[in-house]
Amino acid sequence: EVQLVESGGGLVQPGGSLRLSCATSGFNFNTYWMAWVRQAPGKGLEWVANINQDGSQKNYVDSVKGRFTISRDNGRDSLYMEMNSLRAEDTAVYYCARDRLLACWGQGTVVTVSS
Amino acid sequence: DVVMTQSPLSLPVTLGQPASISCRSSHSLVHSDGNTYLNWFQQRPGQSPRRLIYKVSNRDSGVPDRFSGSGSGTDFTLKISRVEAEDVAVYYCLQGTYWPPLTFGGGTKVEIK
Repeated sequence: EVQLVESGGGLVQPGGSLRLSCATSGFNFNTYWMAWVRQAPGKGLEWVANINQDGSQKNYVDSVKGRFTISRDNGRDSLYMEMNSLRAEDTAVYYCARDRLLACWGQGTVVTVSS
Repeated sequence: DVVMTQSPLSLPVTLGQPASISCRSSHSLVHSDGNTYLNWFQQRPGQSPRRLIYKVSNRDSGVPDRFSGSGSGTDFTLKISRVEAEDVAVYYCLQGTYWPPLTFGGGTKVEIK
């Protein structure tokens, strides 16, 4: 069974940092693109970033470029998102998803940016 | 960026009746490889999104056959042949042809009348 389990969310002040993790199982992690998608409270879905199988290609939505860094550890079957200079508008549930076209999703982790 | 526009915003449906959701893109979604990367997702209340349809009309594993996708170019449709109570959800289209970024439609909320 494919499983994706996010962790690392929490309450952080504006300008602060967080590191999200996504532990996976049930599939060959190192053969898939992986992605982060977020959903602000009461809003729709927004693709945030993705990364290719060996980590050599990384893509971001413009609003997070220079602040967020996606990475992966194929030895640990895990995906990460380092989030710096956080803003109130980054408040959202963050989901990790498998492959470029988002075939499978985790349950999400909540990030709240507030003073 | 490709803009995805869904309609309607809200769709009240009687149980057992059909439902249809439209998704239009600002650019043709035909990729140079010949594929059209238009997907549909379902998000039930309090749950994570789940992909239903990929590349316009292909159902994901475990998706009931009352769900179908169609369309081409810039106009796409998700149809539910007979709505059941478990279909109450927000439905999103997603284009994966021109990226980054991948872009979602704004969502359509299906509710029971």
